[in-house]
Amino acid sequence: IAGITQAPTSQILAAGRRMTLRCTQDMRHNAMYWYRQDLGLGLRLIHYSNTAGTTGKGEVPDGYSVSRANTDDFPLTLASAVPSQTSVYFCASSDADTDTQYFGPGTRLTVL
Amino acid sequence: GQNIDQPTEMTATEGAIVQINCTYQTSGFNGLFWYQQHAGEAPTFLSYNVLDGLEEKGRFSSFLSRSKGYSYLLLKELQMKDSASYLCAVRDSNYQLIWGAGTKLIIKP
Repeated sequence: IAGITQAPTSQILAAGRRMTLRCTQDMRHNAMYWYRQDLGLGLRLIHYSNTAGTTGKGEVPDGYSVSRANTDDFPLTLASAVPSQTSVYFCASSDADTDTQYFGPGTRLTVL
Repeated sequence: GQNIDQPTEMTATEGAIVQINCTYQTSGFNGLFWYQQHAGEAPTFLSYNVLDGLEEKGRFSSFLSRSKGYSYLLLKELQMKDSASYLCAVRDSNYQLIWGAGTKLIIKP
């Protein structure tokens, strides 16, 4: 692994189903983030984690949950997907010295 | 509320210079970032400004005026591969990044 990986790359999901998006980084960054990106809008923060064992809510947390059991992994769960959660989801982690965020390749999620 | 404004789209010619502006109103300021995002890909870091003035990095430069709530990204000697969206983001008083919607830059031969 080099950097940040996300899985799956894309997914089509029926409304009401549960879905977990996976994110793993090997840079030993303490802070990690989940964003959604929708056409015409800026990246919007869903949840974040400043260090393993802690999480916080971002701008649009409703319908999503996260966990941070260790430094490397930061999964995002949709408990019961709805069509408005159709989006591209990016995971990111940040360097402690400069706080620059580095992004994973994204997951394109479609909820029907 | 917090707001980041950028032009939606700009067009420029290969070999030319283009300036992409960003204005912001945020609760506090702890730095401004520019990212590049090619279609279908993840954003990648370009530059970071926390003090007023110009930061130069090769063909790309970024300027900041904190008193005016204003930044610009200057791209010189444009190449076709520079066709992408450019995202401006400000770190607020809570150290969260507030993102603009991005400027889509189209480069024509």
